[in-house]
Amino acid sequence: DTEVTQTPKHLVMGMTNKKSLKCEQHMGHRAMYWYKQKAKKPPELMFVYSYEKLSINESVPSRFSPECPNSSLLNLHLHALQPEDSALYLCASSQEFASGVSNTEAFFGQGTRLTVV
Amino acid sequence: AQSVAQPEDQVNVAEGNPLTVKCTYSVSGNPYLFWYVQYPNRGLQFLLKYITGDNLVKGSYGFEAEFNKSQTSFHLKKPSALVSDSALYFCAVRDMGSSNTGKLIFGQGTTLQVKP
Repeated sequence: DTEVTQTPKHLVMGMTNKKSLKCEQHMGHRAMYWYKQKAKKPPELMFVYSYEKLSINESVPSRFSPECPNSSLLNLHLHALQPEDSALYLCASSQEFASGVSNTEAFFGQGTRLTVV
Repeated sequence: AQSVAQPEDQVNVAEGNPLTVKCTYSVSGNPYLFWYVQYPNRGLQFLLKYITGDNLVKGSYGFEAEFNKSQTSFHLKKPSALVSDSALYFCAVRDMGSSNTGKLIFGQGTTLQVKP
């Protein structure tokens, strides 16, 4: 099973709303990621969790708040977003990325299409 | 600085013909190279990777890629294109050297259009 499941698939929210994106994997991966992707552009890394600890925050605004409750789940809490935050949000997971690990490819979920109105 | 370049925004090929999607990279350590495909309104699907070993890597859906260290390239190829191969393709690299963070660095993407 190489599946990463994201919910919801689509989300429309107002600028004053609070919402959460959810991601789940059961591949035993210990690294999980949030990416943001605009149309026809490459994904942009937002956060990396390694062994349930936040290891990278790519200077993401505080209106995006990640959470990793356990090794299978990753959440992204959204609050007071702006229209320019509308994008496809992708979750991914991979084996740990230590040197020498060969199974290091990341598997992506289908994404959540977020529209901020 | 680590980077990946995909020099072509779009590649057009007729169904049944061979296809090549180009990728060059620049990293400080040993490169771990990947190709992903993205269909409209979908996530990225992993196609293949190069970690070490044979320079010709075979992947999903009949795709293969050739790693060329001297030219720092990792071009994606398929001997016979299908209309269903039409999608957005991303090359990516992970630097497994001292700056290893798990971060994937993506190229800008190449749209492949296969015409019947």
